[in-house]
Amino acid sequence: AQKVTQAQTEISVVEKEDVTLDCVYETRDTTYYLFWYKQPPSGELVFLIRRNSFDEQNEISGRYSWNFQKSTSSFNFTITASQVVDSAVYFCALRRNFNKFYFGSGTKLNVKP
Amino acid sequence: DTEVTQTPKHLVMGMTNKKSLKCEQHMGHRAMYWYKQKAKKPPELMFVYSYEKLSINESVPSRFSPECPNSSLLNLHLHALQPEDSALYLCASSQGGGAWTEAFFGQGTRLTVV
Repeated sequence: AQKVTQAQTEISVVEKEDVTLDCVYETRDTTYYLFWYKQPPSGELVFLIRRNSFDEQNEISGRYSWNFQKSTSSFNFTITASQVVDSAVYFCALRRNFNKFYFGSGTKLNVKP
Repeated sequence: DTEVTQTPKHLVMGMTNKKSLKCEQHMGHRAMYWYKQKAKKPPELMFVYSYEKLSINESVPSRFSPECPNSSLLNLHLHALQPEDSALYLCASSQGGGAWTEAFFGQGTRLTVV
């Protein structure tokens, strides 16, 4: 069975603080893909990053960074120097050799000025 | 063009009405999806079309009827809905059916059934 857990339901930070969103996944597959999506109040899910199960390299893109650790089945997302525009719901998702995304329950991030 | 366009953005319908949601993409993607999202919940997969054929139906009630007229268009026909069907309906597309491809989502249709 596939499962994605985002234990943080809601996080509030003040602008310029760093914040880490946690994602823990379960799968028995050896080949799988992990994703992060951002959902602003407008509704659309915006793709942020994809990682395959064989690539544990961390990635940095501007203020965003991702830490993938197979040993702990985690794929955490850090926003450095958060901004008000980062306020959104963030979803972590797992995908196998299939068309289905298994989404976590989402973490709502509130960044206050 | 990396857009998935959904119309209408908002829809209010009665339980005896028939309506359709439309989705369009011009990225040459061959997989298209319908998701349903209730407030404060993650999206739930409803249907997947791969190369214009229905490949996944997640046991969705027959009052929801998908249609893929061509590779760029995806419709969701609604009939005799219930108030609990009120939700955000999201369309998505991806380059192919492979698990490695990211999906691009539209802004959704906020549906209210009265």
